[in-house]
Amino acid sequence: EVQLVESGGSLVQPGGSLRLSCAASGFTFSRFNMNWVRQAPGKRLEWVSYISSRSSTIEYADSVKGRFTISRDNAEDSLYLQMNSLRAEDTAVYYCATGDDTTGFYLAHWGRGTLVTVSS
Amino acid sequence: DIVMTQSPDSLAVSLGERATINCKSSQSVLYTSNNRNYLAWYQQKPGQPPKLLISWASTRESGVPDRFSGSGSGTDFTLTISSLQAEDVAVYYCQQCYVAPATFGQGTNVEIK
Repeated sequence: EVQLVESGGSLVQPGGSLRLSCAASGFTFSRFNMNWVRQAPGKRLEWVSYISSRSSTIEYADSVKGRFTISRDNAEDSLYLQMNSLRAEDTAVYYCATGDDTTGFYLAHWGRGTLVTVSS
Repeated sequence: DIVMTQSPDSLAVSLGERATINCKSSQSVLYTSNNRNYLAWYQQKPGQPPKLLISWASTRESGVPDRFSGSGSGTDFTLTISSLQAEDVAVYYCQQCYVAPATFGQGTNVEIK
């Protein structure tokens, strides 16, 4: 069974940093493209970032470009999101999700999310 | 960026009746070289992550009941629940998978009348 477990979310002050992790199990992680998607309270889903299976292609939403960095460790079956210069509008539940092998954006498997709150 | 707009924002349907959700993209998500529409539908129940229901505009994922169907092409798409069940109460999102950023619609809240 595919399992994705996010961690690292917490309360952080504006301008601060956080590193989110997503631990994968139940599938061959190294063969899958991966994504981060977030959802602010009561808001729509917002795609944040994408990384291909071998990290050769990386994409970001404009809202996080230059502040967030996606990475992965296939040996550790883990996905990461380094978030710097955090803003109040980054407050959201952050989900990791598998991507398909065509566009990478069909999100078939999701974790339960980790909450990031940016507030003073 | 491709803007995805859903209608209606909220929908109340009697049990056993049809529910129809529309999704419009600001530009075509039809890739002409393979004639495929890069459009997905998700279901999100309260306190849960989204669940992929339909990919390629009309292909149901494994295990999704056949009362869920997707249609449309180019810029206009529809998700239909042919006979609404109590467990279908949720927010439904469309998403374009054509190009980054992979944008979502604002969601449609489906409830029982």
